[in-house]
Amino acid sequence: GESVGLHLPTLSVQEGDNSIINCAYSNSASDYFIWYKQESGKGPQFIIDIRSNMDKRQGQRVTVLLNKTVKHLSLQIAATQPGDSAVYFCAATGGSARQLTFGSGTQLTVLP
Amino acid sequence: DAGVIQSPRHEVTEMGQEVTLRCKPISGHNSLFWYRQTMMRGLELLIYFNNNVPIDDSGMPEDRFSAKMPNASFSTLKIQPSEPRDSAVYFCASSMSGGNTGELFFGEGSRLTVL
Repeated sequence: GESVGLHLPTLSVQEGDNSIINCAYSNSASDYFIWYKQESGKGPQFIIDIRSNMDKRQGQRVTVLLNKTVKHLSLQIAATQPGDSAVYFCAATGGSARQLTFGSGTQLTVLP
Repeated sequence: DAGVIQSPRHEVTEMGQEVTLRCKPISGHNSLFWYRQTMMRGLELLIYFNNNVPIDDSGMPEDRFSAKMPNASFSTLKIQPSEPRDSAVYFCASSMSGGNTGELFFGEGSRLTVL
């Protein structure tokens, strides 16, 4: 099966700096990856996804990078804002969303 | 749209009692997921419905757990009898893609505490 892990359980950054959250996955057959953001007391919220035929995908202030060689995924947040403080989960699947395996999450804290 | 609506938001009950959690998915979404979140195990998929039909219930921990989706706008997750180890936040999520993308829309969760 798939296992997904984040490299750091917590990350603190200064407001305005860029944030990088890293994630590793184990199953080389995984071909679809997603990042979710979960604010305190709320459900996870979809941020961005990427398929294995891509190395990079950009959204609004976020970029996801995929390195299939080392089975590594990262989420970059530009100009981090206080509202970005949350737990960030990566998830991977070799099939459909019902087969998503979520990582344990990284708590991002934005310092003033 | 109000998003995925779950009730109750918080439930405190005693061991042995029946617990029913409810979910109203986003209108037009054809897939519904029940997840459980704990500190120890993170987010775990319990069961997945597509077009109101349970497709994959392999994540349901044991026979004490059951889920139904009588129509496209309502689902329940029932635990009977409940045990302290069932304490967790239970999330319902829906999707319009039949589960073929990862863009799930989660509700705000039902926090269950079993004493």
